[in-house]
Amino acid sequence: AQSVAQPEDQVNVAEGNPLTVKCTYSVSGNPYLFWYVQYPNRGLQFLLKYITGDNLVKGSYGFEAEFNKSQTSFHLKKPSALVSDSALYFCAVRDAGGYNKLIFGAGTRPAVHP
Amino acid sequence: DTGVSQNPRHKITKRGQNVTFRCDPISEHNRLYWYRQTLGQGPEFLTYFQNEAQLEKSRLLSDRFSAERPKGSFSTLEIQRTEQGDSAMYLCASSLGLDRGTRYGYTFGSGTRLTVV
Repeated sequence: AQSVAQPEDQVNVAEGNPLTVKCTYSVSGNPYLFWYVQYPNRGLQFLLKYITGDNLVKGSYGFEAEFNKSQTSFHLKKPSALVSDSALYFCAVRDAGGYNKLIFGAGTRPAVHP
Repeated sequence: DTGVSQNPRHKITKRGQNVTFRCDPISEHNRLYWYRQTLGQGPEFLTYFQNEAQLEKSRLLSDRFSAERPKGSFSTLEIQRTEQGDSAMYLCASSLGLDRGTRYGYTFGSGTRLTVV
């Protein structure tokens, strides 16, 4: 079965320190991987995606993600966290069953403190 | 505004009542998705339209749920005889094709938060 796991509900990080949000996946075939961010009472905003090519993908707001096929991971990273990065981050994989629907993880909330 | 628009933003209803939500996708997007998000969870797929055709429905979409997309434009999601377990954020997303070689993804609306009391 296809799935996405985000092992941490919350991560604590000091402003200015590196931020990492973990994601592992299980999917048949080559994975199409995504990261989205959700602010309170808002829909999801696209951050970045991996389809093919370089394992390091750069996205919006200074975020990047590293695809690791051997570890089936797609961790989201930001070199220097901001208080405004405190939101809900979702990792997703495209369902191989068709129609491009996405399977989401449960989400991780970084708590960035000054 | 060229984004995905959802109405209403919030809906409070009594158990047993019917509710209908509307989604206006980005005009040139032919694909439209509905997802449901409950507290502490990621969005879960409900149904998918390509133009006006509803091509897939999740088993989460019980017979109390129905969705339409007349003329391939806006879409509606109706829940009949609402139950407290239906309380969730209902998200709509639209996209162009995401076939190999293309680099377009979803655009999500802000969602409709349903509370069933």
